[in-house]
Amino acid sequence: GQQVMQIPQYQHVQEGEDFTTYCNSSTTLSNIQWYKQRPGGHPVFLIQLVKSGEVKKQKRLTFQFGEAKKNSSLHITATQTTDVGTYFCAGREPITGNQFYFGTGTSLTVIP
Amino acid sequence: DAGVTQSPTHLIKTRGQQVTLRCSPKSGHDTVSWYQQALGQGPQFIFQYYEEEERQRGNFPDRFSGHQFPNYSSELNVNALLLGDSALYLCASSLAAVSRGGYTFGSGTRLTVV
Repeated sequence: GQQVMQIPQYQHVQEGEDFTTYCNSSTTLSNIQWYKQRPGGHPVFLIQLVKSGEVKKQKRLTFQFGEAKKNSSLHITATQTTDVGTYFCAGREPITGNQFYFGTGTSLTVIP
Repeated sequence: DAGVTQSPTHLIKTRGQQVTLRCSPKSGHDTVSWYQQALGQGPQFIFQYYEEEERQRGNFPDRFSGHQFPNYSSELNVNALLLGDSALYLCASSLAAVSRGGYTFGSGTRLTVV
């Protein structure tokens, strides 16, 4: 079955530093989504990427989908304390169906 | 307000018992997916319901079953509870097939099996 791994598992940064999390799938994906989960909260949808090599930006967040559609990354520029949380990628396979398989997540701590 | 309502928020059950969790999807959404999230882990897909039928299922035993009602709300049932079933159970609603706008998650039901 599909496996989606994320690295790193944990990341501590000083406020103002940049942060990147990487997502790798064992199989080719049709699309990939990113979610943020605050401590004690539930996942909140951030964005969906569909096209090979696609890059999307949301203010300080930049999302990329790999050319082979097997990996993705989320980069945050100049982190703020409000960025604290766990970031999950979730990938969907082209054939097997409509569900998204979530990655293992990267927990971000921002030190003020 | 997440738009997706789950009940109850917390639940404590004894090993071997049965539990029913409920979910009302976001207004306008017709598809409900259930996920299990163990502490420190990513959500694991249990199953998805659309048009009152289980459309897809993850790698969970038959002790996990569900239902979707005509108003799109859904229930997750777990029989013969095990200690390992302790987790946060998340309901996610979306529009039909490709979830273009992403899932909208509820706040979850925290199940503790003792």
